[in-house]
Amino acid sequence: GQQLNQSPQSMFIQEGEDVSMNCTSSSIFNTWLWYKQDPGEGPVLLIALYKAGELTSNGRLTAQFGITRKDSFLNISASIPSDVGIYFCAGQGDTGNQFYFGTGTSLTVIP
Amino acid sequence: DGGITQSPKYLFRKEGQNVTLSCEQNLNHDAMYWYRQDPGQGLRLIYYSQIVNDFQKGDIAEGYSVSREKKESFPLTVTSAQKNPTAFYLCASSWGQGTSTDTQYFGPGTRLTVL
Repeated sequence: GQQLNQSPQSMFIQEGEDVSMNCTSSSIFNTWLWYKQDPGEGPVLLIALYKAGELTSNGRLTAQFGITRKDSFLNISASIPSDVGIYFCAGQGDTGNQFYFGTGTSLTVIP
Repeated sequence: DGGITQSPKYLFRKEGQNVTLSCEQNLNHDAMYWYRQDPGQGLRLIYYSQIVNDFQKGDIAEGYSVSREKKESFPLTVTSAQKNPTAFYLCASSWGQGTSTDTQYFGPGTRLTVL
């Protein structure tokens, strides 16, 4: 199955810094989703995007659906220690229900 | 309290035994999914179901089986044919086909350890 390219693979940042990560696909998607996963827990949905160019915020998080429909971006502003975790992107295309996932970005916030 | 429940949270089994992981949702979703996650890796699709009594193999279906007799339930059986079953298993659900704004939600996961 298709795996999305997510970068960076890991990030170590100081508390208060902004964070950016992105996800790219070789095919066009109609839906982009961003999740956060804590160790030993299931992924929690952060933001859902359904339209090319769409920019959506959820508190300090902002995500964008790329114009080409082949990429998406997630930004976290003013990071805090509880932002630590693994962030996954997921996309869904025209055919069927299947969602495709990125390999994850591991975020470490240094107090 | 709406959502997806998976039980148990931790499961230990001896090698050669079949084991069934439970997944229940009360979100009235049509589609349900099973994923496997290994340490430091992304999610790999095992099986998914778009409607009751129908399911499709994902990328790593070998050694696994599922059933979908009720809309709310999608149990996964890890059989003795699965060569490396120790992993974190995640169940998910979504509205399904034909939904232009489909969104997938996950359960809390079951960690299976085969001894």
